[in-house]
Amino acid sequence: EAGVAQSPRYKIIEKRQSVAFWCNPISGHATLYWYQQILGQGPKLLIQFQNNGVVDDSQLPKDRFSAERLKGVDSTLKIQPAKLEDSAVYLCASSVTGVRTEAFFGQGTRLTVV
Amino acid sequence: AQKVTQAQTEISVVEKEDVTLDCVYETRDTTYYLFWYKQPPSGELVFLIRRNSFDEQNEISGRYSWNFQKSTSSFNFTITASQVVDSAVYFCALSEAQHAGKSTFGDGTTLTVKP
Repeated sequence: EAGVAQSPRYKIIEKRQSVAFWCNPISGHATLYWYQQILGQGPKLLIQFQNNGVVDDSQLPKDRFSAERLKGVDSTLKIQPAKLEDSAVYLCASSVTGVRTEAFFGQGTRLTVV
Repeated sequence: AQKVTQAQTEISVVEKEDVTLDCVYETRDTTYYLFWYKQPPSGELVFLIRRNSFDEQNEISGRYSWNFQKSTSSFNFTITASQVVDSAVYFCALSEAQHAGKSTFGDGTTLTVKP
């Protein structure tokens, strides 16, 4: 079974530029999560999708971050404009619908804002 | 609000030593899930175990064992006879029962196993 796919693996941009990350979840997983992991910290949830609807985006800095999951499969996370403090690894995870399932994580996209 | 504390930032052991990683959590929920994940240098989070709040049985899987004590809100992880390949960052996480994949993570413990 293929895992969660993310691209790109690495991205370096200048502050105030925009950037987008892509995630393809495990086939059949209706729930998709984006996490932000700052160096030395644990992952922090940014947004949760159930199919193509947002379940929780309370931790998403909506003035600069946006995410969508058109058609309920792939998802894109965008930052515009980027700040230095956005440097982090952005992890995508997916899970089947239900209460007894854990999330499966992709390898993440490491973003460096200079 | 949920909170997970991993007080040990870094641990270094010599191969074949046993090592215990501590995890203390806070939640107001009566039903919840606890997890341990391993993050090797490649960056991917690898699921190790899920434990629901009603099951306080300790679990052993090969060299890994977990001790869940609801009375002290702790979910500790022990690696017996550590190996160099165990070197990684280990995260403890807590989830609400309705969405097991929506987790609050601790800040991780970096384990280094020296040959």
